[in-house]
Amino acid sequence: GQQVMQIPQYQHVQEGEDFTTYCNSSTTLSNIQWYKQRPGGHPVFLIQLVKSGEVKKQKRLTFQFGEAKKNSSLHITATQTTDVGTYFCAGENSGGSNYKLTFGKGTLLTVNP
Amino acid sequence: ETGVTQTPRHLVMGMTNKKSLKCEQHLGHNAMYWYKQSAKKPLELMFVYNFKEQTENNSVPSRFSPECPNSSHLFLHLHTLQPEDSALYLCASSARTGGYEQYFGPGTRLTVT
Repeated sequence: GQQVMQIPQYQHVQEGEDFTTYCNSSTTLSNIQWYKQRPGGHPVFLIQLVKSGEVKKQKRLTFQFGEAKKNSSLHITATQTTDVGTYFCAGENSGGSNYKLTFGKGTLLTVNP
Repeated sequence: ETGVTQTPRHLVMGMTNKKSLKCEQHLGHNAMYWYKQSAKKPLELMFVYNFKEQTENNSVPSRFSPECPNSSHLFLHLHTLQPEDSALYLCASSARTGGYEQYFGPGTRLTVT
């Protein structure tokens, strides 16, 4: 079945440093979504990428979708303590008539003030 | 507040008990989902309902039984669970399946003793 691998599993940074998490799928995706889960909270949707090579920005966050639509990355510039949480990518495979969102294991980001 | 509520928020049950988890969404969505989130594991999709019809059963043991009486409500009936079923159970909804962002509820923290 479809697998979505995400690295690194953990990342600890000093406030102000940059952070990147990478996501790789075993199959071509129709779209990829990114979610953030704060400690003790639930996943919250950040963004969706659909087009090959797409790049989207949200303030300090930059999201990329690979040309082959099998990988993606999230980059945070100048991290802040409010960025703490687990970042999940989730790939959607539109094979057949059923759509299924497969989540990566997530990257837990901690930020030292 | 995402518009998706779950009750109870915490549940402790014995292996011989029968209990139900409830999810309600106030977003006018047509798709609803159950996920299981365990430590050190990715979010696991359990069930998907689209317009009240079950479209995905991700090889979930029969001790978990979903019910979707209408597009706004989703239940997960539990019976004869095992300790390894202890986890955070998250409900989510989206406008429909296929390329739409998902809105998660706060989850039910389930402990099976």
